[in-house]
Amino acid sequence: GQQLNQSPQSMFIQEGEDVSMNCTSSSIFNTWLWYKQDPGEGPVLLIALYKAGELTSNGRLTAQFGITRKDSFLNISASIPSDVGIYFCAGETGNQFYFGTGTSLTVIP
Amino acid sequence: NAGVMQNPRHLVRRRGQEARLRCSPMKGHSHVYWYRQLPEEGLKFMVYLQKENIIDESGMPKERFSAEFPKEGPSILRIQQVVRGDSAAYFCASSGQGYEQYFGPGTRLTVT
Repeated sequence: GQQLNQSPQSMFIQEGEDVSMNCTSSSIFNTWLWYKQDPGEGPVLLIALYKAGELTSNGRLTAQFGITRKDSFLNISASIPSDVGIYFCAGETGNQFYFGTGTSLTVIP
Repeated sequence: NAGVMQNPRHLVRRRGQEARLRCSPMKGHSHVYWYRQLPEEGLKFMVYLQKENIIDESGMPKERFSAEFPKEGPSILRIQQVVRGDSAAYFCASSGQGYEQYFGPGTRLTVT
């Protein structure tokens, strides 16, 4: 199957700092999605991207669909304790979705 | 609550028993996806269904696993003769016309 490389694998940051994580693939995707998963819960959709170059914001979150369609990044500005969780990217091609391995975010108050 | 519903949330089965996991999509959604997640790993696609049709089951193990999404009622993921390696969290997601998938809370299957 398709491989999505997500980095970094984990991050420990101070409250108030900005965060950046990204996903890369050797394959082209039509859609990129970013999710956050809390322990014991299902992933929650944060941002959906449909067009190469698209830059979309949702509150303190900003995500971009790479021009090559092979990558995407997610930025979180001014992190707060409730940002803690695991963030997953997902790429869609041919009605099938592939998920990255996740970035675990810890915010230190 | 108009979200994706899954039940049971936790399921314990002995080796050799059958596990049935149910998923009710969001209202108005006709596409259902099933994923499997092992601890500290990402989600692995299993199967994509629309009402009464399996669209893509390329991620489903060839034996013991089956899925359906009948005209009426929830989607069912069925695992026959469970083994310890089937222990995982199973998530379903639904979507409407677009590609935005909304996930349920998952079913945690433990095989003893």
